[in-house]
Amino acid sequence: GQNIDQPTEMTATEGAIVQINCTYQTSGFNGLFWYQQHAGEAPTFLSYNVLDGLEEKGRFSSFLSRSKGYSYLLLKELQMKDSASYLCAVKDSNYQLIWGAGTKLIIKP
Amino acid sequence: GAVVSQHPSWVICKSGTSVKIECRSLDFQATTMFWYRQFPKQSLMLMATSNEGSKATYEQGVEKDKFLINHASLTLSTLTVTSAHPEDSSFYICSASLASGDYNEQFFGPGTRLTVL
Repeated sequence: GQNIDQPTEMTATEGAIVQINCTYQTSGFNGLFWYQQHAGEAPTFLSYNVLDGLEEKGRFSSFLSRSKGYSYLLLKELQMKDSASYLCAVKDSNYQLIWGAGTKLIIKP
Repeated sequence: GAVVSQHPSWVICKSGTSVKIECRSLDFQATTMFWYRQFPKQSLMLMATSNEGSKATYEQGVEKDKFLINHASLTLSTLTVTSAHPEDSSFYICSASLASGDYNEQFFGPGTRLTVL
């Protein structure tokens, strides 16, 4: 079966750095997405990785290792507004998006 | 960026009634639209994928006669929850994509919160 694993919840301090991991087992791979979702709102796109390596976009970076079926989202200089759920999603061989359950990130002052 | 709207943003209805939710891509033509359902503290669950002018493809376990999807144009898709019951209460989110293929970012609507009494 297809499976995406993320930690359920993480806590970090304002101004610090946090890394949210995602491992996947899917039938084929055509890219990995990270989305941010605030409570009661729809997801918003953060990043897309299809090749191995690190993609940096401001305070957020996303890393991919296809051989390990592994990705992480790195958030730097955490702000209170970063408190949200972070969803990892993988596009399989049929270009179907397979969603992880999301990681709830709690930022403390 | 591409904008997707949903209407209504929230709706409360009585059990047994039908509810229609609209999803529009405002500044682009969406080849494909997706309908998701999300229960509290759970991840997104894909309900169906629809392409303009053709029948929707429903995920396993989703009743096509209960959740009617119409994708009449490249900018509009509708989801009708027929004979709604309290267990249908959920957050319904649509998304739209520009084209199929490798990179196919989905642009999400703001969601519709449905409460069935």
